[in-house]
Order: sequence, then structure tokens, then C-alpha cells
Amino acid sequence: DQQVKQNSPSLSVQEGRISILNCDYTNSMFDYFLWYKKYPAEGPTFLISISSIKDKNEDGRFTVFLNKSAKHLSLHIVPSQPGDSAVYFCAARFSNQGGKLIFGQGTELSVKP
Amino acid sequence: DAMVIQNPRYQVTQFGKPVTLSCSQTLNHNVMYWYQQKSSQAPKLLFHYYDKDFNNEADTPDNFQSRRPNTSFCFLDIRSPGLGDAAMYLCATSRAGGKNQPQHFGDGTRLSIL
Repeated sequence: DQQVKQNSPSLSVQEGRISILNCDYTNSMFDYFLWYKKYPAEGPTFLISISSIKDKNEDGRFTVFLNKSAKHLSLHIVPSQPGDSAVYFCAARFSNQGGKLIFGQGTELSVKP
Repeated sequence: DAMVIQNPRYQVTQFGKPVTLSCSQTLNHNVMYWYQQKSSQAPKLLFHYYDKDFNNEADTPDNFQSRRPNTSFCFLDIRSPGLGDAAMYLCATSRAGGKNQPQHFGDGTRLSIL
């Protein structure tokens, strides 16, 4: 049973436009959500996070939105740059399991010049 | 720079031959995690150490063991690797006790089984 889902395996966006990556979850016990970025042959790099008590967190070009009623979060990248091309993983943390993260399968973003 | 280092980056072993993957960290984090990631799948938590306390996931095969001799190092031992154990193995660390602390990952070890 997949508790965190990224339904789009890939996304292609033109440079300068907005990239929107989506993530859905099923478990209401998640209290913290994170986005990681992964380049080939490297480990995931933390990008941005949001607590379950908030609905938006912004850091430069990156904004994460959380809709708790829909159990949905999204990552917006504006404007998109070719260097943003990578696999993006959504992850959710259980409130009572020692920091355990459940990851989605990832979305491969390609930003074309 | 403080970081999480995994060695080796690539490991080839024979079917059934024990193998050990290593992870070290300079972040002084008290929690260390091991994940398995197969191609095009989500990273899956195998186990983690909270200080010296070992926490195994219920569905982690008995074939997988871990050791943490000190704060800085953590090892993943696969006692009798099967073909299905070929994967990327990711080590991560975090500081527990803080409000919301992300996990920091190493670059992984890609394990191949002959």
C-alpha cells in the first residue's frame, strides 16, 4: 500500500515557465513533508519542507503548498531553469516513528532551454 | 564541509557472498538511516539507529543487518546477497530532538550481484 504517491513519472517544462510537481498521501499521521532533488549518480538533496500546521512555505524560486483536506502537496518552481532538471522526490514523516520518512516514486523534471 | 560519505560508490559481489557497505558522517547527527532504492522506485527504509538504539522495519529481510560502532559510522551488512538485493543503498542522517529536521543523504552505493 503506497502511502505517498507521485503520479507523474515525468514532466517537461520550458525554461522560464512554472514547474508544478504534485504529491498525494493517504495517512493523516504525517506531520512534516519534504521535497528532495536528485541528480544522476548523487544522493537526494533536501530542497524545501513544510509542517502539517502550515499551508505554504516559500524559499526563493521554490514554494511548497499543502492542502490537508485533500491530502495533497505540490512544489512550484518559478522561474524554471535548465539546472532544475532532476528527479524530485516527495517525502512524508510520521509524527511518532522516530523521523521515519515515506517517499514517493519521484518525478523526473526536464527544463528545456 | 560537513557531509555524509558512503563507500564504496559501486560494489560488485557474488551471489551469496557477504558484503558490507559503509557510511560515515561529519554532521554529528544522532540518527542514521539505511534506505534501499531499486530502479524507478521510491527509497525504502530498511532500519535506523537513534543513538545506539537499533530500529528495524518490519518488512526488512533478516539477510540485512546493521552496526553502528560510534556516532560517526554505520555499516550495512548483507549476509547472503541474492539477485533481488541489487539496488542503490542510501545512508542518511538527521538530528533528532529539533523541531523539524530534514534527513541528509550520502551519494549512495550501487550494489550489483553476479
